[in-house]
Amino acid sequence: SAVISQKPSRDICQRGTSLTIQCQVDSQVTMMFWYRQQPGQSLTLIATANQGSEATYESGFVIDKFPISRPNLTFSTLTVSNMSPEDSSIYLCSVGGTGFEKLFFGSGTQLSVL
Amino acid sequence: AQKITQTQPGMFVQEKEAVTLDCTYDTSDPSYGLFWYKQPSSGEMIFLIYQGSYDQQNATEGRYSLNFQKARKSANLVISASQLGDSAMYFCAMREGGSGTYKYIFGTGTRLKVLA
Repeated sequence: SAVISQKPSRDICQRGTSLTIQCQVDSQVTMMFWYRQQPGQSLTLIATANQGSEATYESGFVIDKFPISRPNLTFSTLTVSNMSPEDSSIYLCSVGGTGFEKLFFGSGTQLSVL
Repeated sequence: AQKITQTQPGMFVQEKEAVTLDCTYDTSDPSYGLFWYKQPSSGEMIFLIYQGSYDQQNATEGRYSLNFQKARKSANLVISASQLGDSAMYFCAMREGGSGTYKYIFGTGTRLKVLA
């Protein structure tokens, strides 16, 4: 199993600024995933972050907008850059893959952009 | 094309009755996993049940069972003896890819309301 600590839990930001979300796992994991959940919608995969390699972004998401760091096997950050109101969502960190039968989730970051 | 399809945006069920939430999937990968998650209004993602593509038997976890029909590419969730606390959003998800390249894709969800 894995316990994931994600912070901040919520934030209200001004248009044009950036926010960095941190995700800390209590065990070493190979694969970390970042999801976005817009209001009333499903989870959309932003990118997969493997330690020691560049993050792999899904269609519609780019590194300039959502830079990701993965400095070690227990930690990752997602930055939401140059924010606009359309970026208002819940952002979820998760871990899974080899050795994990299921996907474990952090508690999420509720982001509101004014 | 949608990889995970949940055709029921909303469902109602009477308390103590059983309900089936539909999920179909699309993959050419012979090895994959299917999951159901519950998301109550609090927003947390609660794992319910898992079915591997090579599992011969349908998965069960307490009141939850997964009706896995591989040829039809369906993985319906059955909740028996519904409780008021089952009212939530339910997501079907699929893990595909090999070691080091996993990806988890979610369906659009079904909002379940249990009636007293």
